[in-house]
Amino acid sequence: GAVVSQHPSWVICKSGTSVKIECRSLDFQATTMFWYRQFPKQSLMLMATSNEGSKATYEQGVEKDKFLINHASLTLSTLTVTSAHPEDSSFYICSASGFKSYEQYFGPGTRLTVT
Amino acid sequence: GQNIDQPTEMTATEGAIVQINCTYQTSGFNGLFWYQQHAGEAPTFLSYNVLDGLEEKGRFSSFLSRSKGYSYLLLKELQMKDSASYLCAVQGGYQKVTFGTGTKLQVIP
Repeated sequence: GAVVSQHPSWVICKSGTSVKIECRSLDFQATTMFWYRQFPKQSLMLMATSNEGSKATYEQGVEKDKFLINHASLTLSTLTVTSAHPEDSSFYICSASGFKSYEQYFGPGTRLTVT
Repeated sequence: GQNIDQPTEMTATEGAIVQINCTYQTSGFNGLFWYQQHAGEAPTFLSYNVLDGLEEKGRFSSFLSRSKGYSYLLLKELQMKDSASYLCAVQGGYQKVTFGTGTKLQVIP
């Protein structure tokens, strides 16, 4: 089956610093990658959709200058949380979709804690 | 816009059958997913329905009625390890998937 990895699995950073999260599709080419955020006891909220080689499409209310997304290759997308604040503490999950439109495979998630 | 409703919590007994309902109102529809999510973990894929009817996969089955905007996930022969949140999600245009708030299922002995 398709495998998606995320790195790091957890990170603690100080307020004001930036954090980069990587999402990799290990055994398939991901034409589209999605970034979600999940706060405790809430469902996944889509933040943005990124296609390889083009700019990400952000959902309403998500600041594109704060959450920088790069999808430079068919196997790698990165999310950078710039100038992180405690309210950005959350579980960030990526998913990757291949050439079959319904496929969407989730990474294991990254737990971000901003102190 | 997308609106997806499912019960917040359910409790069922080990060995029993439980049905988790999901209703949706969406501006576009390409398919409906069910995912299982254990606490602190990412969701795992359970099923995907595009056409009306019942899809059976082992102990889990998923049903879809597009005309009614309705789906359910049926879990048979419940096991303690089935205690988790079950997320209903609708795929609209551009592969975009919108998740419901999830149903937390507790399986008791």
